[in-house]
Amino acid sequence: GAVVSQHPSRVICKSGTSVKIECRSLDFQATTMFWYRQFPKQSLMLMATSNEGSKATYEQGVEKDKFLINHASLTLSTLTVTSAHPEDSSFYICSASPGQVRDDQYFGPGTRLTVT
Amino acid sequence: QKEVEQNSGPLSVPEGAIASLNCTYSDRGSQSFFWYRQYSGKSPELIMFIYSNGDKEDGRFTAQLNKASQYVSLLIRDSQPSDSATYLCAVNTGGFKTIFGAGTRLFVKA
Repeated sequence: GAVVSQHPSRVICKSGTSVKIECRSLDFQATTMFWYRQFPKQSLMLMATSNEGSKATYEQGVEKDKFLINHASLTLSTLTVTSAHPEDSSFYICSASPGQVRDDQYFGPGTRLTVT
Repeated sequence: QKEVEQNSGPLSVPEGAIASLNCTYSDRGSQSFFWYRQYSGKSPELIMFIYSNGDKEDGRFTAQLNKASQYVSLLIRDSQPSDSATYLCAVNTGGFKTIFGAGTRLFVKA
């Protein structure tokens, strides 16, 4: 149980284009989903927390107009990196939490984004 | 600033030994504590969570929590080379606010 998928697993895009990453909880409903970024050999950096049907809460320093998050249903959240630049190249990982009582998070397999 | 501190390692142990990973946290009001394992190039995988003081055992893994000392640890018995990974300590400080430590790299020598 508690399986989270992410798509695509790897994407290469040109500078200036936008990329959408999908995160799905496959066997549970996720009231809350999280988006993280991780640079090589560094720790996870929380970008934003999203609750189904409401606007995402972004961490300090994360541009909400650049990283668009939509949590349209209890099983799907999307992250769109708009006008991507090479410095946006990173490992993007989503996680989902089963409900309002439990606070354990289950991670998707991650998306490796390379902006050329 | 709410923090979760871990020794970055690497912690090197021989195969079959006990690996002990430690974590301290600053927010005394924290209620939930998690250990994740992350292999290189992969996303984290939840291996243990603990809410109450004391020990919690799951197979070869034991999580230990001491809220008075603001300390949580993970013991891995009979360590295997496949346990070589980075272990992330995570602490929930309220609501869905979970703070991750930077991780400890564990290397199990065959």
